[in-house]
Amino acid sequence: DTAVSQTPKYLVTQMGNDKSIKCEQNLGHDTMYWYKQDSKKFLKIMFSYNNKELIINETVPNRFSPKSPDKAHLNLHINSLELGDSAVYFCASSQEGNTIYFGEGSWLTVV
Amino acid sequence: GENVEQHPSTLSVQEGDSAVIKCTYSDSASNYFPWYKQELGKRPQLIIDIRSNVGEKKDQRIAVTLNKTAKHFSLHITETQPEDSAVYFCAASKSGGYNKLIFGAGTRLAVHP
Repeated sequence: DTAVSQTPKYLVTQMGNDKSIKCEQNLGHDTMYWYKQDSKKFLKIMFSYNNKELIINETVPNRFSPKSPDKAHLNLHINSLELGDSAVYFCASSQEGNTIYFGEGSWLTVV
Repeated sequence: GENVEQHPSTLSVQEGDSAVIKCTYSDSASNYFPWYKQELGKRPQLIIDIRSNVGEKKDQRIAVTLNKTAKHFSLHITETQPEDSAVYFCAASKSGGYNKLIFGAGTRLAVHP
């Protein structure tokens, strides 16, 4: 059983489209995250939710909107996709400041 | 804000040699320092971590050292094997709730047979 699962794994879409990436964790963790990894492999936090509440919101364009329907799910919706949004998006979770576990990643390519 | 610098960006060693990756952090309040290994096309996975109340931690061929005064921490891999080839990331955060992990830029380690 995958602890942190995200879908889709691969996504190719045109500029201007709107797309969503879904994430679910079955670890019982109370905190979930979205990280972005660019082409140079740099990992940067985007958002974090604790028990469905937004607690970290880094400098991210407002075209990116996270949604957490419950503490086991954190989805990422991206409006008006741009070429620069192409990256790998990792969902992750942790419990109270302990180890962060990453999902498999979602490879987004905007053409 | 917190900044984590990591060196070197690439590291090439012969199988059996040791590899050392170094990181420095800027926020003296940071107290949690994990290391992640990311193989090509895979997710980052935790390999070892250390908290600020400990100066050194070892797990088989992997060890991490922490110098709080200098705000340095390092990853040491001994007896390297080809399967150790990957990108390694250091990170730092403050505990007390929510882990806002700030990552270093990564080190691409290549172990040659």
